Amino acid sequence: EAQVTQNPRYLITVTGKKLTVTCSQNMNHEYMSWYRQDPGLGLRQIYYSMNVEVTDKGDVPEGYKVSRKEKRNFPLILESPSPNQTSLYFCASSFDSNQPQHFGDGTRLSIL
Amino acid sequence: GESVGLHLPTLSVQEGDNSIINCAYSNSASDYFIWYKQESGKGPQFIIDIRSNMDKRQGQRVTVLLNKTVKHLSLQIAATQPGDSAVYFCAETGAGSYQLTFGKGTKLSVIP
Repeated sequence: EAQVTQNPRYLITVTGKKLTVTCSQNMNHEYMSWYRQDPGLGLRQIYYSMNVEVTDKGDVPEGYKVSRKEKRNFPLILESPSPNQTSLYFCASSFDSNQPQHFGDGTRLSIL
Repeated sequence: GESVGLHLPTLSVQEGDNSIINCAYSNSASDYFIWYKQESGKGPQFIIDIRSNMDKRQGQRVTVLLNKTVKHLSLQIAATQPGDSAVYFCAETGAGSYQLTFGKGTKLSVIP
């Protein structure tokens, strides 16, 4: 089954404790992206990757890092999480940026 | 489920009626537009897309209309069903851009 898998689905943690949210897709997509979703603000793009080893900032990259060492994986790293990063996060993938993206089911992060 | 619909514009329709959800965009260089549906607790799901060389595209029970003159996009759902209840987002991207920009979303509630 074609899918985008995120882990964990839920995480409660404390300020400053590094965390990684993993994202994996099995569709051989070149393009992958991370979004955060906040009430009243919709989905905002954090980072995206056009292909392996090629990443770039989206609209809200501050406080986040990404890596794309393999085509299928695109982890989101919060080196020193802060409460304003409490949000619902989505990973997505597509063949390229001008094709429909497939989304994961989301990761709810709570930073205390 | 995840609460992403706070403070969203809401459209309530009777089951069996047609629904029209509107979206305004600001970037005149955008040339690819997508509608997504997001149900509670899930990631956005692709519904239909349209490119700027078209002004109308039809799918199964859904039609997207694009008016480039006034930078307006609409999603029409025929014979709306309870399963159509969700938050609907439009998204846009431009030629040569790797970024996808989402609208704030509209919550559709279908009254049985």
